[in-house]
Amino acid sequence: DGGITQSPKYLFRKEGQNVTLSCEQNLNHDAMYWYRQDPGQGLRLIYYSQIVNDFQKGDIAEGYSVSREKKESFPLTVTSAQKNPTAFYLCASRDRDYNSPLHFGNGTRLTVT
Amino acid sequence: DAKTTQPPSMDCAEGRAANLPCNHSTISGNEYVYWYRQIHSQGPQYIIHGLKNNETNEMASLIITEDRKSSTLILPHATLRDTAVYYCIAVNTGTASKLTFGTGTRLQVTL
Repeated sequence: DGGITQSPKYLFRKEGQNVTLSCEQNLNHDAMYWYRQDPGQGLRLIYYSQIVNDFQKGDIAEGYSVSREKKESFPLTVTSAQKNPTAFYLCASRDRDYNSPLHFGNGTRLTVT
Repeated sequence: DAKTTQPPSMDCAEGRAANLPCNHSTISGNEYVYWYRQIHSQGPQYIIHGLKNNETNEMASLIITEDRKSSTLILPHATLRDTAVYYCIAVNTGTASKLTFGTGTRLQVTL
């Protein structure tokens, strides 16, 4: 089955540690996105990538970093500089045809204590 | 991409039609209206999209006003499983887009 896999589903870290969230897609999509969701809130865009080896900051990129070395993979690192990292993180992808919908993974819930 | 405005919450009785409105008064000519829904603690799911004609698929219908400043997502026979947060976004398909989501409408379907 084609889709987007985010792992792990739940992640716990101590404050001050960097943590990397995985996102893999086998849909052959060019564009990939990372969103953050806080309780009762909508989705806020962290980073997005339209093509391999290229990515752009979204609305809340501070304290995060990404890489796009392979088309199918778009890992997100939550650094110790991110002041409030505890959140639900969603990865999405879509085809190069901009009239195509986003496909989302089922998210990673990160808890930092 | 144009900003969209949705009511924060709505209720609907099971078996009745759920009509979810969305305002996008600043939408431009090449922006599509997309609808997604998110069931608690899952990733959002694509429902439907349209430019100016009304659209229907197996999940829902999308009605876009003639001036394109607003739209309505219709779930014809709502069930308890349709309880979710519904997001309406405007997407410029002519260029790469940031695709930002607002807070959506929380639809509660009741018995």
